[in-house]
Amino acid sequence: AQSVTQLGSHVSVSEGALVLLRCNYSSSVPPYLFWYVQYPNQGLQLLLKYTSAATLVKGINGFEAEFKKSETSFHLTKPSAHMSDAAEYFCAVSVRGSSNTGKLIFGQGTTLQVKP
Amino acid sequence: DTEVTQTPKHLVMGMTNKKSLKCEQHMGHRAMYWYKQKAKKPPELMFVYSYEKLSINESVPSRFSPECPNSSLLNLHLHALQPEDSALYLCASSPLAGGVGDPFFGPGTRLTVL
Repeated sequence: AQSVTQLGSHVSVSEGALVLLRCNYSSSVPPYLFWYVQYPNQGLQLLLKYTSAATLVKGINGFEAEFKKSETSFHLTKPSAHMSDAAEYFCAVSVRGSSNTGKLIFGQGTTLQVKP
Repeated sequence: DTEVTQTPKHLVMGMTNKKSLKCEQHMGHRAMYWYKQKAKKPPELMFVYSYEKLSINESVPSRFSPECPNSSLLNLHLHALQPEDSALYLCASSPLAGGVGDPFFGPGTRLTVL
């Protein structure tokens, strides 16, 4: 069964500093992995996804993530944090199998705080 | 049109009321989903429709009744809800269920059950 673990429920960085949000996955088949961002009182917006092509995935708003099979990780990074990056971030894995459901399993989420 | 719309944005209902949530997409997606999100928690899948047929029901109580009248529209009918059902209800769609297409999420309906 697939699962996702996000390390750190709360991350605080200064504006301009590196953002690193950690995600580890468990999957018995090659996974599809996603990072979503959720601003207060809004839905989820896709930042980027890994679907077995390039292991370094670039997304919107300057974010990128690297798929590391040996470490079962898919950490999200951004070189320089902006105040507008403050939000909730969810890592997710797409459940794949014979039923091909398209079901997403989400991590518990990480709240990113950006200090001026 | 590359978005998923949901109405209403907010809904307050009593435990004896009957109400419906509506979700619409015009991207030609053939898979549509309902997720429930409690405060400070990740979304949890409720239902999946694939080609207008219910393909997944995650053991959701019968007081939630989904309906997919056509490929663009997804409803969630609510009846005799409990206060613990108060949450953000998110609709999503994707080109196909289980494909590599990105699930697009709507903005959600915030439901309060009194």
